[in-house]
Amino acid sequence: AQTVTQSQPEMSVQEAETVTLSCTYDTSESDYYLFWYKQPPSRQMILVIRQEAYKQQNATENRFSVNFQKAAKSFSLKISDSQLGDAAMYFCAYMYTDKLIFGTGTRLQVFP
Amino acid sequence: GAGVSQTPSNKVTEKGKYVELRCDPISGHTALYWYRQSLGQGPEFLIYFQGTGAADDSGLPNDRFFAVRPEGSVSTLKIQRTERGDSAVYLCASSLYGELGLDTQYFGPGTRLTVL
Repeated sequence: AQTVTQSQPEMSVQEAETVTLSCTYDTSESDYYLFWYKQPPSRQMILVIRQEAYKQQNATENRFSVNFQKAAKSFSLKISDSQLGDAAMYFCAYMYTDKLIFGTGTRLQVFP
Repeated sequence: GAGVSQTPSNKVTEKGKYVELRCDPISGHTALYWYRQSLGQGPEFLIYFQGTGAADDSGLPNDRFFAVRPEGSVSTLKIQRTERGDSAVYLCASSLYGELGLDTQYFGPGTRLTVL
């Protein structure tokens, strides 16, 4: 069965600094998608970034980038130039066929 | 271009009662998903619709849970004889569902269900 592990329950970063959130997953499949979602207190899950497993190039969206290591089954999220609005729960998720499988989340605090 | 909407935003009910939770997906999205998020956890898959039919209901915890999508758009999650353990945030998501079957899911704001 596929599993997703986020080993950092909480992380903190100073405004304008860089922080990396870790995620590992377990699968025997070769073609799948990986996602990072952000969940602020409003509860809405907001897509941050996605990575197709067949692509070797790491995905980037403005200040957000990933380090995708397929052989190691690792998918970390780097947030550069952190802003106060980045404070939220961050969930890593794996998708093969239909359903998303989520990790337990990392709470990110951003200090001014 | 409205996003996924869910009603009600919050629902408080008594143990043993019946509840219905509604999801209105993004227009044109053929796939619809329900997830349940317990406190301090990531969302867990419940059921997935492709059009009007439930393509995968393997996540429904028991036969008290049922979902429908009669016209391939709005979906209703129905919970009979609610229990305190059903208290959670119920999230709905939709996706365009391309031919490859792997597509980004866009989430609604969720319904917080509290069973007293």
